[in-house]
Amino acid sequence: EDKVVQSPLSLVVHEGDTVTLNCSYEVTNFRSLLWYKQEKKAPTFLFMLTSSGIEKKSGRLSSILDKKELFSILNITATQTGDSAIYLCAVGRGAGNMLTFGGGTRLMVKP
Amino acid sequence: DTEVTQTPKHLVMGMTNKKSLKCEQHMGHRAMYWYKQKAKKPPELMFVYSYEKLSINESVPSRFSPECPNSSLLNLHLHALQPEDSALYLCASSQGLRDIEQYFGPGTRLTVT
Repeated sequence: EDKVVQSPLSLVVHEGDTVTLNCSYEVTNFRSLLWYKQEKKAPTFLFMLTSSGIEKKSGRLSSILDKKELFSILNITATQTGDSAIYLCAVGRGAGNMLTFGGGTRLMVKP
Repeated sequence: DTEVTQTPKHLVMGMTNKKSLKCEQHMGHRAMYWYKQKAKKPPELMFVYSYEKLSINESVPSRFSPECPNSSLLNLHLHALQPEDSALYLCASSQGLRDIEQYFGPGTRLTVT
C-alpha cells in the first residue's frame, strides 16, 4: 500500500526560528514529490522535486529529495507569522498523475 | 489567469437532495481532478479526467457522479449523500497527466444533514 508520512505532526516556533519538516514515502511508480502550503482552503504549490540531491529554493523556503532513502525535507528559515499553515507533502505516482498526500505538518509561528 | 475557481463556496444539503459542485479553469489545462478532504486529514483523490474523459475513479460510491462537459469545466453531481460525506471538496487541474504540478481551487465546503 502506498504510504506518505510526515513529521512532526505539529510544530510551534517563534518568529525568526528555522524549521525542518520531514516527509518519507513508500509508493509504487514514483514520479515526483511535491510540497504544498494549506492555510484556510486551497493547497498552494511550493515545490516539485524529481531528482535526488538537487535543492530547490524559493526565498526563505528550500527543499531537497533523497530518492535512495525515500524522503524529502522542507526548510523554512527566519520564520514569520505568515508561515503558519499546514504543510502537505504529496507524491505523484503512476501514469494517471495521482497524488498521494501525507497527513501534513501543522506549523504555528508565534510573534 | 492562473486560477481554479469553484462554486459554491459552501453547500448544505439534505440526504434526499440532488446538488452539483462546479469547477472551472482557464489555463488550458487538459487534466482535472476531484479530491475530498475531511477535517484535519489530507486530500484524497476521487476522480481524474484527461481530455474530458474519465481516466481514474478511485472506487468512489456512485452517489458521486463526475462530469466534464468541456475542457474548462468539471462538475461533481451529488445525490443521496450521507452525513459522513460532509467534507471540503477540492478541484485541481494540471497541464496534462504527464505534468505532476496540480493547481487547486479554494474548495466547496459541503455539509450533509
